[in-house]
Amino acid sequence: KAGVTQTPRYLIKTRGQQVTLSCSPISGHRSVSWYQQTPGQGLQFLFEYFSETQRNKGNFPGRFSGRQFSNSRSEMNVSTLELGDSALYLCASSPNLNGGELFFGEGSRLTVL
Amino acid sequence: QQQVKQSPQSLIVQKGGISIINCAYENTAFDYFPWYQQFPGKGPALLIAIRPDVSEKKEGRFTISFNKSAKQFSLHIMDSQPGDSATYFCAGHGSSNTGKLIFGQGTTLQVKP
Repeated sequence: KAGVTQTPRYLIKTRGQQVTLSCSPISGHRSVSWYQQTPGQGLQFLFEYFSETQRNKGNFPGRFSGRQFSNSRSEMNVSTLELGDSALYLCASSPNLNGGELFFGEGSRLTVL
Repeated sequence: QQQVKQSPQSLIVQKGGISIINCAYENTAFDYFPWYQQFPGKGPALLIAIRPDVSEKKEGRFTISFNKSAKQFSLHIMDSQPGDSATYFCAGHGSSNTGKLIFGQGTTLQVKP
């Protein structure tokens, strides 16, 4: 079974731009969560989607948004990029809602200049 | 009340030794405690997990010890190998808080040959 696939793996943007990251969950998994990983803050929860609905949201500004499609694939968007948005963005899938067993992708490394 | 505190931040162990990483949590609503292993350039991978109805869980060389009254849990890696060198994250999850894992800050383990 293929794992969680994230694209792109690496990208460089400048301040003020926006970025869209994509995630394909493990086949059959309907829950997709997004996390931001930085050396200073560690792994922080962004949001979770299940059946195309946002079920939970972390403590991030409104510039961070996401969505899920009917095939469970998910995208997250960051608008008006700031230097502090430079991070590894990780997508994780789970077969069920309320499940703590998450399967992570390799992440999208975003650098904001 | 949401924090998970992890220690030590870094750990150096000789090959064949025992690696011990400790975590403490505050949220008594947590009912699932996973450990994740992350290699450079990769996403976190679920290593082993425990629920609070048991005090210990062992899978191969990896053991979780859980102390519910003290709100602490730890990961023991027996016969540590150079291939175990990675960053380890503990986490807490509450089934009422969908998809949201609260991670510790991580421990970088180096196993010397």
